[in-house]
Amino acid sequence: DAKTTQPPSMDCAEGRAANLPCNHSTISGNEYVYWYRQIHSQGPQYIIHGLKNNETNEMASLIITEDRKSSTLILPHATLRDTAVYYCIVKGSQGNLIFGKGTKLSVKP
Amino acid sequence: EAGVVQSPRYKIIEKKQPVAFWCNPISGHNTLYWYRQNLGQGPELLIRYENEEAVDDSQLPKDRFSAERLKGVDSTLKIQPAELGDSAVYLCASTGVDEKLFFGSGTQLSVL
Repeated sequence: DAKTTQPPSMDCAEGRAANLPCNHSTISGNEYVYWYRQIHSQGPQYIIHGLKNNETNEMASLIITEDRKSSTLILPHATLRDTAVYYCIVKGSQGNLIFGKGTKLSVKP
Repeated sequence: EAGVVQSPRYKIIEKKQPVAFWCNPISGHNTLYWYRQNLGQGPELLIRYENEEAVDDSQLPKDRFSAERLKGVDSTLKIQPAELGDSAVYLCASTGVDEKLFFGSGTQLSVL
């Protein structure tokens, strides 16, 4: 089973920041948090991952709380092409990425 | 650089027929995964290969599903015989040393 909890859906206005929350209260000290997204009819795409420090790349920022029990993916200026399902993932016991249902983000004009 | 290549893109078969999916991972990626994704759900892992060895096939329904990666490069996933409930998208992914998974576009299987 997935080790994360996400809201099933969110809306965001085009040009505004999209903040996608994720709970991972059972995460252990050496487990990373990964974010992927899946645009309709495509395979999932890697976005970002982190351990304890905040991370930023050209796609997004990842904010991890100090207790590491939750994190937020931030898309600073959402566009219509960011409409997708976003998955927050902590690896399972075998070291594999276990996907949940994710958050369906709809960016609206 | 080419990404993960899967074929066919779509497959429609009748139940009880066999079907096979092919995946060519990114060059140099030793780890290869097969996932199955049902409508409205996240991908579910079926099998993971490290080179030619299946290191985790605990979620593969072995009565009808089989997979191989003979030379540690491309891989084939087979279903024989297919059932109505096997209709899904079958995704292949590969990863190198940085553990970022790269997915193919998947094969959408419809069993009638």
